[in-house]
Amino acid sequence: AQTVTQSQPEMSVQEAETVTLSCTYDTSESDYYLFWYKQPPSRQMILVIRQEAYKQQNATENRFSVNFQKAAKSFSLKISDSQLGDAAMYFCAYRSATSNFGNEKLTFGTGTRLTIIP
Amino acid sequence: NAGVTQTPKFQVLKTGQSMTLQCAQDMNHEYMSWYRQDPGMGLRLIHYSVGAGITDQGEVPNGYNVSRSTTEDFPLRLLSAAPSQTSVYFCASTRTSNYGYTFGSGTRLTVV
Repeated sequence: AQTVTQSQPEMSVQEAETVTLSCTYDTSESDYYLFWYKQPPSRQMILVIRQEAYKQQNATENRFSVNFQKAAKSFSLKISDSQLGDAAMYFCAYRSATSNFGNEKLTFGTGTRLTIIP
Repeated sequence: NAGVTQTPKFQVLKTGQSMTLQCAQDMNHEYMSWYRQDPGMGLRLIHYSVGAGITDQGEVPNGYNVSRSTTEDFPLRLLSAAPSQTSVYFCASTRTSNYGYTFGSGTRLTVV
């Protein structure tokens, strides 16, 4: 079974600075997808960024980028130019890419609460 | 395009009561799932479905039932509510394996 670990329960960053959230995972599969979700106080789960394991290039979405290290099974999220609206809970998640029954499920880490300091 | 709609948003139950959490999606997604979110534990999979008439258990299925009679709807039934089922429940759906999920807005359930 796959596991996802987020070792930083809480992080804080000054507004306009850069912060990196860590995520490691354990799997025996070679083909999979990784995601970062944001959960603001509204409770809504918002997809921030996704990475396909077969792609070596790190995914980027505006101020959000990832550092994907497949051999190390590491998937960190970097937020540049932090804004007050970035304050939220951030979850790392894993999904298998093999087309077997039940492999569509997401496995989540326990989350990192990010605080933005004005 | 409504996405994933969950009702109700809040619910208080007494121990032993039963209820159904509703989930509907209008994106023609084959895969739907239910998660519960508890402090310090992330989101854990309760039940999932890969299409109408096909369901299976996730990580924490005890005390919950599901059925999938249509592509659009995937209700979650609590048979006899217990305080341990106090949680936030999310319904989510997806179409293909290279997409992230679309989540509903969640249901905060309190069992007293």
